[in-house]
Amino acid sequence: AQSVTQLDSHVSVSEGTPVLLRCNYSSSYSPSLFWYVQHPNKGLQLLLKYTSAATLVKGINGFEAEFKKSETSFHLTKPSAHMSDAAEYFCVVRGSNFGNEKLTFGTGTRLTIIP
Amino acid sequence: DTEVTQTPKHLVMGMTNKKSLKCEQHMGHRAMYWYKQKAKKPPELMFVYSYEKLSINESVPSRFSPECPNSSLLNLHLHALQPEDSALYLCASSQEGRTIGTQYFGPGTRLLVL
Repeated sequence: AQSVTQLDSHVSVSEGTPVLLRCNYSSSYSPSLFWYVQHPNKGLQLLLKYTSAATLVKGINGFEAEFKKSETSFHLTKPSAHMSDAAEYFCVVRGSNFGNEKLTFGTGTRLTIIP
Repeated sequence: DTEVTQTPKHLVMGMTNKKSLKCEQHMGHRAMYWYKQKAKKPPELMFVYSYEKLSINESVPSRFSPECPNSSLLNLHLHALQPEDSALYLCASSQEGRTIGTQYFGPGTRLLVL
């Protein structure tokens, strides 16, 4: 069984300041973890993924996330927020047992950027 | 190229209509998915096709009928829908087999049932 918890439903930051979106996971197996972003009225875009290689994962648009097994966390960060980062962000876990292609989504974090 | 395309972008239909949503990918992926997303909620899995065969049906009502004509195409046939079926319908694809199985999503079809 697997689950994911996004600790904040809404985060507001000023433009140019750091972004932190928190995610904790639970998985019976070594998980694959993903962050997806969804801009208003759009589909989901893959930001980055953790696949049991390097624990610090770099993604698109300056985002990165660190896999911390001891804390069962996979928080998303960005050093400097841009107005275009305003969107909904989903933390997602995938069971790694063979043949299980199901994704488990967190409830999402809405990121607001203050000019 | 990680593009998944979906048509139409928007669809309005009555409860007696029959319509179809289409999804296409040319990444050689062998698994394709339909998700339903209500406003301010995460996507919910509906169906999974693996090697053009239905492998997962998440107890979706029969008024939704998926079809996978070939490895690049995925359809969702709609008939006698209810207003509560109004949502964003997302298609995704991924490689099948012993891979990470990263899913790539299309832009979605926004469906309104009147």
